[in-house]
Amino acid sequence: DIQMTQSPSTLSASVGDRVTITCRANQSIRSWLAWYQQKPGKAPKLLIFDASSLESGVPSRFSGSGSGTEFTLTINSLQPDDFATYYCQQYSSYSYTFGQGTKLEIK
Amino acid sequence: EVQLVESGGGLVQPGGSLRLSCAASGFTFKSYAMTWVRQAPGKGLEWVSEITGSGSSTHHADSVKGRFTISRDNSKDTLYLQMDGLRAEDTAVYYCAKYYGSGSYKSWGQGTLVTVSS
Repeated sequence: DIQMTQSPSTLSASVGDRVTITCRANQSIRSWLAWYQQKPGKAPKLLIFDASSLESGVPSRFSGSGSGTEFTLTINSLQPDDFATYYCQQYSSYSYTFGQGTKLEIK
Repeated sequence: EVQLVESGGGLVQPGGSLRLSCAASGFTFKSYAMTWVRQAPGKGLEWVSEITGSGSSTHHADSVKGRFTISRDNSKDTLYLQMDGLRAEDTAVYYCAKYYGSGSYKSWGQGTLVTVSS
C-alpha cells in the first residue's frame, strides 16, 4: 500500500496567517491526491481534488499544489472557520490511503 | 441534493457480526462507485472498502480483507457493509461516501458508530 505522511501533525497559527501543510507519498501518485477538512463530530469536506483543483464552493484562499510524491495545501489569510483537521488522500492505487491528519489550532 | 444516510451501527461483542447500510438519494445511484471510510475515536480517517457502480468489482483494505464485504442493491439505492469477525480495533464511526471524478469523495453521510466490546 502507498503510505501518506503529513507534516506537521499540529500547526498553531493566527487569524490572517498563511499556512502550508505538506503531504508526502512513498511512491509516485502523479496528481491523484485530495485534501479534506474535518471538524469535530462532522464528516470530512472535500477541498481540493486532483492535487490542485478547487472544489466548487470552497473559498479561493485554499490552494493545492504538487505532483509525484510531494504535495502542499496552502491556506491564505486564515479565517476563524478554518481551524480544523486536514487530511490528504491518495487515489492512485488501492488501497486508497489517507495521511494521518494535521490539526490546525488557534495560536 | 445528494443525501447519504448510514444505519446499522451499535454495540457488538468481539467475534460478532454487523451489517451497515447507507441509503442514497439525489443522484443516479447505480452510476457511481461507493466507498466506506472509518474513523476510530480520536484517530484519523481509514479507507475501508469500495465497490463499482454495477457492483461487479470490489476492493478492501488489508485490515478488513476476508472479514468485511461491501455490496450494493441498485434497485434500492442502498450500499452495505457486512462486517464479520469483528475486533476491538474495528471500533469506529463508519462513513459512506460517493465517488467523485477520479477517486475523491465529495458527498459523505453523517456516519454510524460501531463499538466492538465485551
